[in-house]
Amino acid sequence: NAGVMQNPRHLVRRRGQEARLRCSPMKGHSHVYWYRQLPEEGLKFMVYLQKENIIDESGMPKERFSAEFPKEGPSILRIQQVVRGDSAAYFCASSPNSLEADTQYFGPGTRLTVL
Amino acid sequence: ILNVEQSPQSLHVQEGDSTNFTCSFPSSNFYALHWYRWETAKSPEALFVMTLNGDEKKKGRISATLNTKEGYSYLYIKGSQPEDSATYLCASPNNNNDMRFGAGTRLTVKP
Repeated sequence: NAGVMQNPRHLVRRRGQEARLRCSPMKGHSHVYWYRQLPEEGLKFMVYLQKENIIDESGMPKERFSAEFPKEGPSILRIQQVVRGDSAAYFCASSPNSLEADTQYFGPGTRLTVL
Repeated sequence: ILNVEQSPQSLHVQEGDSTNFTCSFPSSNFYALHWYRWETAKSPEALFVMTLNGDEKKKGRISATLNTKEGYSYLYIKGSQPEDSATYLCASPNNNNDMRFGAGTRLTVKP
């Protein structure tokens, strides 16, 4: 059973371009979470999704950021018109059930650098 | 306590020492407390999930306790080894199943 997969592992974008980060949860996991780690900071919750539904996006910036978890395929975190402040490590995690009962498993992260 | 908080921020111990650190969390509307071990340039690794007041969990030389009434959890490492050097994160989900992380305790074990 493969773990949580994220790609790309490293992504370089120029200001104004779009960044697409992909996360494939572990098999059988229907809960997906995205976190951002800014330089010298800890993990910050961004968004929680179940299949085809955004459950909570209270941690997402209001503009330029969006996330989806379609019925088929990976979860996508999309950042439009990237700015230098978007440079960070973006981690995805998945769990089979809610976090009251189960832990989440993290992917290796995507390190986004905005030039 | 409104957020998840951890102390100390960093800790240096000698190989063989036992150590412990604290996670404080909101005691109202408590659902679960998670501990993770996070090495530099890797992804966080789950250690424990605890839900009941008085829970104690153990994994090798690492153990954790939970007090939901007063809102704290302790993580203990017995006989620290250099490979235990990492950042230890605690986190607690809220009623929306969002995970709120503490800032972590960075442990360095000197040989």
